[in-house]
Amino acid sequence: DAGVTQSPTHLIKTRGQHVTLRCSPISGHKSVSWYQQVLGQGPQFIFQYYEKEERGRGNFPDRFSARQFPNYSSELNVNALLLGDSALYLCASSMLDRGTEAFFGQGTRLTVV
Amino acid sequence: EDQVTQSPEALRLQEGESSSLNCSYTVSGLRGLFWYRQDPGKGPEFLFTLYSAGEEKEKERLKATLTKKESFLHITAPKPEDSATYLCAVQPTGGFKTIFGAGTRLFVKA
Repeated sequence: DAGVTQSPTHLIKTRGQHVTLRCSPISGHKSVSWYQQVLGQGPQFIFQYYEKEERGRGNFPDRFSARQFPNYSSELNVNALLLGDSALYLCASSMLDRGTEAFFGQGTRLTVV
Repeated sequence: EDQVTQSPEALRLQEGESSSLNCSYTVSGLRGLFWYRQDPGKGPEFLFTLYSAGEEKEKERLKATLTKKESFLHITAPKPEDSATYLCAVQPTGGFKTIFGAGTRLFVKA
């Protein structure tokens, strides 16, 4: 079975641009969460979606937005990119919206120059 | 405020030298605690889920335990391939957020 897949794997953007990151969850998983991981730190929670509804939002500015599609795949959008947005963006899928383990994709390495 | 603290930040072991990693947490209520392994440049790999104090889980050379305030990841006779960052995460009750610690970087020398 395919695991969580993310695209693209690497991305370089200029300050002020916007970016869209994509995630396909494990088959049968209805929950997708997004995390930002800066080098040397643990993942920071950005969003959780379950059955196409936003269930949780972390302490990130409104420049960050996300959505989940009927097939449970998801997009993370970031507008007006800042240098500080450079990080590894991780997507995780799980069976339920809480109480169960999440399985991560390989991440998208975003570099803002 | 919900918080997860992992110690030590880094741990260097000789092959075969057993040790433990600590994860201390402060949450109003615990729905679940998770351990992950992360290799450089890759996404975290799920290891264990623990739900209640006294629970233990084992997998090969790893054993995870849980108390009301902390969790331990015991590594028995580690090998160089166990070198990685080990992440602890908690999911509090009353919400949907999962909170990660900063991780412990483990180096095992042959």
